[in-house]
Amino acid sequence: GEDVEQSLFLSVREGDSSVINCTYTDSSSTYLYWYKQEPGAGLQLLTYIFSNMDMKQDQRLTVLLNKKDKHLSLRIADTQTGDSAIYFCAEKDGSSNTGKLIFGQGTTLQVKP
Amino acid sequence: GAGVSQSPSNKVTEKGKDVELRCDPISGHTALYWYRQSLGQGLEFLIYFQGNSAPDKSGLPSDRFSAERTGGSVSTLTIQRTQQEDSAVYLCASSLWDRGRPLHFGNGTRLTVT
Repeated sequence: GEDVEQSLFLSVREGDSSVINCTYTDSSSTYLYWYKQEPGAGLQLLTYIFSNMDMKQDQRLTVLLNKKDKHLSLRIADTQTGDSAIYFCAEKDGSSNTGKLIFGQGTTLQVKP
Repeated sequence: GAGVSQSPSNKVTEKGKDVELRCDPISGHTALYWYRQSLGQGLEFLIYFQGNSAPDKSGLPSDRFSAERTGGSVSTLTIQRTQQEDSAVYLCASSLWDRGRPLHFGNGTRLTVT
């Protein structure tokens, strides 16, 4: 079945760039998403990209999509302590008509001052 | 506008009791999803509703779990005879019906079964 993989932890210094990586298996995925989860909160949509795009930029966030390698990344420029959270990559379930998302395990981003 | 609202935010129950979790989706969103987030387990899809179509219940872990959606809006997830392994955060999400539309999540209900 479909699977989404992420590294579990990333630590960076404030002001540096953070790059969170994700791989997926479903080649029919047409939409890929990044969500942010702060402690005790639900998932906040950060950005998403359609599979006919290679890159999407939104302020400090840059999403890169390599469809050949089924690799997605999220770059956060000038990382701030407020960016500390868990980041989830998700793909639309291509085998389903429901539009449900399949999530990775989440990457915990720690930003050191 | 208002986001997805879930209640209660926290629920502690004794093993064997039934619980009901409520979700109010964003107004106008026809698709509604329930997910479960357990420690070390990531996000697990439970059930999906879209308009008047039959729900996709393929993610429900056992027949102790059920959900309904009344009037195409509010949804209730019911867990009967709760077990300790049911302890998790239950997240509800809604979206407009378009396969490209992102899901918008509520803050979840943290369920603890003692």
